[in-house]
Amino acid sequence: DAGITQSPRHKVTETGTPVTLRCHQTENHRYMYWYRQDPGHGLRLIHYSYGVKDTDKGEVSDGYSVSRSKTEDFLLTLESATSSQTSVYFCAISEDRDYGYTFGSGTRLTVV
Amino acid sequence: GQQLNQSPQSMFIQEGEDVSMNCTSSSIFNTWLWYKQDPGEGPVLLIALYKAGELTSNGRLTAQFGITRKDSFLNISASIPSDVGIYFCAGQRETSGSRLTFGEGTQLTVNP
Repeated sequence: DAGITQSPRHKVTETGTPVTLRCHQTENHRYMYWYRQDPGHGLRLIHYSYGVKDTDKGEVSDGYSVSRSKTEDFLLTLESATSSQTSVYFCAISEDRDYGYTFGSGTRLTVV
Repeated sequence: GQQLNQSPQSMFIQEGEDVSMNCTSSSIFNTWLWYKQDPGEGPVLLIALYKAGELTSNGRLTAQFGITRKDSFLNISASIPSDVGIYFCAGQRETSGSRLTFGEGTQLTVNP
């Protein structure tokens, strides 16, 4: 489809457990992003990557880490999940800094 | 935190009516983008604007990049039921690299 796949689509996990979400792209785009979407807050940037092994923090990065060991994969890890991290997580890609993003279909994460 | 003020937060209209929504900011942006999100999916790019004063159409959608570079609006003409969804504005500043700042969204409901 759009060349970007998120997995899993849904996950329920317990407080304190580690969780990793995966974003996979087939577009060979340089930039990749992780956002979370919550009611009343819109889309907020967690982390982003501007190349393999090049990542930086967004506005809500506390409690999250990322890794990008190859162009096509961008992983988001919650080291120890908390209930405040219950959210819908979106991955996005962009070809260049001046192009709009293409979003994945999202991962709905529930921390109980 | 959010630096884009998007309004209105929600709209309830009758099929066939025209719709207008806008985004404003205290910061200058060099790119404005408008996205639509259907339930259970990621946002999809509708229109991208790259120059102050630019007016761009995509079918029944028209968007403009404000002259001051601090605002943008989106108009939808002759609304139809499939226009239902959340509309997001997003802006890119010169100093933010490839990162976008998103508005909180406008929830549009179209009654047949």
